Amino acid sequence: AQKITQTQPGMFVQEKEAVTLDCTYDTSDPSYGLFWYKQPSSGEMIFLIYQGSYDQQNATEGRYSLNFQKARKSANLVISASQLGDSAMYFCAMREGYGNQFYFGTGTSLTVIP
Amino acid sequence: NAGVTQTPKFRVLKTGQSMTLLCAQDMNHEYMYWYRQDPGMGLRLIHYSVGEGTTAKGEVPDGYNVSRLKKQNFLLGLESAAPSQTSVYFCASSYLAGGIREQFFGPGTRLTVL
Repeated sequence: AQKITQTQPGMFVQEKEAVTLDCTYDTSDPSYGLFWYKQPSSGEMIFLIYQGSYDQQNATEGRYSLNFQKARKSANLVISASQLGDSAMYFCAMREGYGNQFYFGTGTSLTVIP
Repeated sequence: NAGVTQTPKFRVLKTGQSMTLLCAQDMNHEYMYWYRQDPGMGLRLIHYSVGEGTTAKGEVPDGYNVSRLKKQNFLLGLESAAPSQTSVYFCASSYLAGGIREQFFGPGTRLTVL
């Protein structure tokens, strides 16, 4: 079974609108970490936001927030007030327990329309 | 700080040739990783290292070898390149202490095997 599932290959959003990128995960370990990375067309991977499994509140970093629904095993990324520079691939990832392996989803391509 | 650097940025090999990809980090991180990224597949872990002199297999280790002789360097070797190893290779590092432990990525190496 896939550890991380991103079901939206491509998404479009109007500039200044909010957008939600979906991510579901699969683990039986009660301790885990969830990450979102951005990969612009230039290719580098940029860390955006982190949510720990024991964190009580949803993580936020500027315009990024993580909608963490533990019972549903989902960790959706919400980008508010989209900007043209947000056009990129977005990857959800998970680290199980305090292990050393990270599992990545297949990514969602976001295009922001002027 | 340069962060995580990778050498080379691009390489074309013929089937059967060998090569070594070099990853270097100047953040004194304990953990280092090698991933490959293929279209529609996201990032998959090849090998990783939890410290100088130690390495371990990831999700897709076949056809690759690694070495971590110095803490700051992590080498990925292809002994006999195959067309299936055409990919973009990313190196990453992270620190040991608890908490978020997000990964810092290098810029990637685009490898083509003919």
